[in-house]
Amino acid sequence: AQSVTQLGSHVSVSEGALVLLRCNYSSSVPPYLFWYVQYPNQGLQLLLKYTSAATLVKGINGFEAEFKKSETSFHLTKPSAHMSDAAEYFCAVSRGDDMRFGAGTRLTVKP
Amino acid sequence: SQTIHQWPATLVQPVGSPLSLECTVEGTSNPNLYWYRQAAGRGLQLLFYSVGIGQISSEVPQNLSASRPQDRQFILSSKKLLLSDSGFYLCAWSGTGQAFFGQGTRLTVV
Repeated sequence: AQSVTQLGSHVSVSEGALVLLRCNYSSSVPPYLFWYVQYPNQGLQLLLKYTSAATLVKGINGFEAEFKKSETSFHLTKPSAHMSDAAEYFCAVSRGDDMRFGAGTRLTVKP
Repeated sequence: SQTIHQWPATLVQPVGSPLSLECTVEGTSNPNLYWYRQAAGRGLQLLFYSVGIGQISSEVPQNLSASRPQDRQFILSSKKLLLSDSGFYLCAWSGTGQAFFGQGTRLTVV
């Protein structure tokens, strides 16, 4: 069975500060890992995905994530937060027919 | 290119009334299809997924059901809505190693 744990339901950073959103996964087989972003009352958009190629994955809007097998982690980072980054972020794991999501982390960016 | 359509965008229904949410996918064949519900503070909960016509897997026992009458059509239904069915429902399909989402349906049961 697969599962995802996102540490921190709310993260608040200042504009220009580092963004770090944490995700740990559990999977019995090598997983595919994803980060999605959701703006209010909209569907989810893919930020980036890991599918067993390079462990450092670069996504859209300056985000990147690093797959660390030894830590079973896939944390999302961005060097400098922008006001437009305020949204909810979901980590997900998939292997097979279903995709499992974390509970989400709401990112607030303060001016 | 592939697109996914989900409707309606918002819905207000009384307790005890039936529900039908529809999702269709264009531009791909035999997709894996999913229904998720998003409730405040609980993230995305997988409700149903389908790997083919008539094949439905249910993740959580509840007041809802799903059907896949055609390859690219996925329907979420209920015979009698409960207050606890309120939430944001998302349809998705997966392929090429990622999931693609509809715009969601905000359901309020009153």
